[in-house]
Amino acid sequence: NAGVTQTPKFRILKIGQSMTLQCTQDMNHNYMYWYRQDPGMGLKLIYYSVGAGITDKGEVPNGYNVSRSTTEDFPLRLELAAPSQTSVYFCASSYSLGVQSYEQYFGPGTRLTVT
Amino acid sequence: DQQVKQNSPSLSVQEGRISILNCDYTNSMFDYFLWYKKYPAEGPTFLISISSIKDKNEDGRFTVFLNKSAKHLSLHIVPSQPGDSAVYFCAASPYFSGGSNYKLTFGKGTLLTVNP
Repeated sequence: NAGVTQTPKFRILKIGQSMTLQCTQDMNHNYMYWYRQDPGMGLKLIYYSVGAGITDKGEVPNGYNVSRSTTEDFPLRLELAAPSQTSVYFCASSYSLGVQSYEQYFGPGTRLTVT
Repeated sequence: DQQVKQNSPSLSVQEGRISILNCDYTNSMFDYFLWYKKYPAEGPTFLISISSIKDKNEDGRFTVFLNKSAKHLSLHIVPSQPGDSAVYFCAASPYFSGGSNYKLTFGKGTLLTVNP
């Protein structure tokens, strides 16, 4: 099992450019999440999804968009990149039964720099 | 406003001794707590959790203690090993308060260094 995979590992964007961070999980988890971690800070939830076709905002959604067309994939889209979006981005997934969600499994992260 | 606080950015201990990592929270709706461990260039990995109906949970060398009245939890690692050197994040959610246990609020993390 690969678990949660993220691509790319690193990326440098110019201000105003757009990009999509890819996330795939092979554990058949129904819940998926995107977090960002700024230097010296904890992880903050950007968006999450409780199943294909269902997404919702987390704590810091501005400047991002997501979609969930399949159980496996949960891409994060940055439109009009800004320096404030320089961060490390983590995708995660978890199994759930009703509203009980079990431990979240994280991908290795994407380090994004916007200059 | 930080709802989950890890006030010690770093901790250094000798191999074989006890490591104690602390976490405080301010939101009284939080009732499910987790610890994650993170190595450089990797994603966090789940370590141990505790719900508010318990005050202690053990898993091998790792024990988490919860003091609800003080809104404080701690992670004890005994004995500490060099491979335990990592950043430890405390996280919380309002699961039993009618919320969900999947929307986690994380602390800033504590870097643990275990010296041989």
